[in-house]
Amino acid sequence: DAKTTQPTSMDCAEGRAANLPCNHSTISGNEYVYWYRQIHSQGPQYIIHGLKNNETNEMASLIITEDRKSSTLILPHATLRDTAVYYCIVRGYSGGSNYKLTFGKGTLLTVNP
Amino acid sequence: DVKVTQSSRYLVKRTGEKVFLECVQDMDHENMFWYRQDPGLGLRLIYFSYDVKMKEKGDIPEGYSVSREKKERFSLILESASTNQTSMYLCASSFLPLSSGNTIYFGEGSWLTVV
Repeated sequence: DAKTTQPTSMDCAEGRAANLPCNHSTISGNEYVYWYRQIHSQGPQYIIHGLKNNETNEMASLIITEDRKSSTLILPHATLRDTAVYYCIVRGYSGGSNYKLTFGKGTLLTVNP
Repeated sequence: DVKVTQSSRYLVKRTGEKVFLECVQDMDHENMFWYRQDPGLGLRLIYFSYDVKMKEKGDIPEGYSVSREKKERFSLILESASTNQTSMYLCASSFLPLSSGNTIYFGEGSWLTVV
């Protein structure tokens, strides 16, 4: 799996959009970009994933650059409950056992009132 | 919505006890996983199963065993709990095949303290 780089922490005002960046410059053609978040003391929560095209669901939007070397997770109207550590993960199918999800340190997003 | 349910959120056990952590998923997923999460070490895979009665070791299987008698249920067993097994344990599930587009869903976690 390709490595990812995320800022350690970010702040966002409640009601504003939160834009969380992720660099994955070594991503290969068959690797998807996944985003999870983890609120303290809870299990990771799946948010969204994509391969090439931008994706949107009820939680967030995922913007992937054309060269696929970076992506941005957008929470359109952040609330206090969105305060969490956000993980960007690149995962590909490499044959055989592909059961590992490598979570890096992630970005601590703090949404302020 | 996908639901991965772990039976116990918080447990305190004594050293040497046998501990069972239960996990149930309601999405008919073939794959089920047990991870542990520790500060500074991230998620580490203990065991996984891709079918009933099938299991494979992950990165840190020592001191653990698993059981999958039914598709929806995956149990983690600590044969003789030790203090270094104090951790948060996470169950997860996903569909086969293991192509990139399949999402892994996690349970809420079980906090185990061994004293």
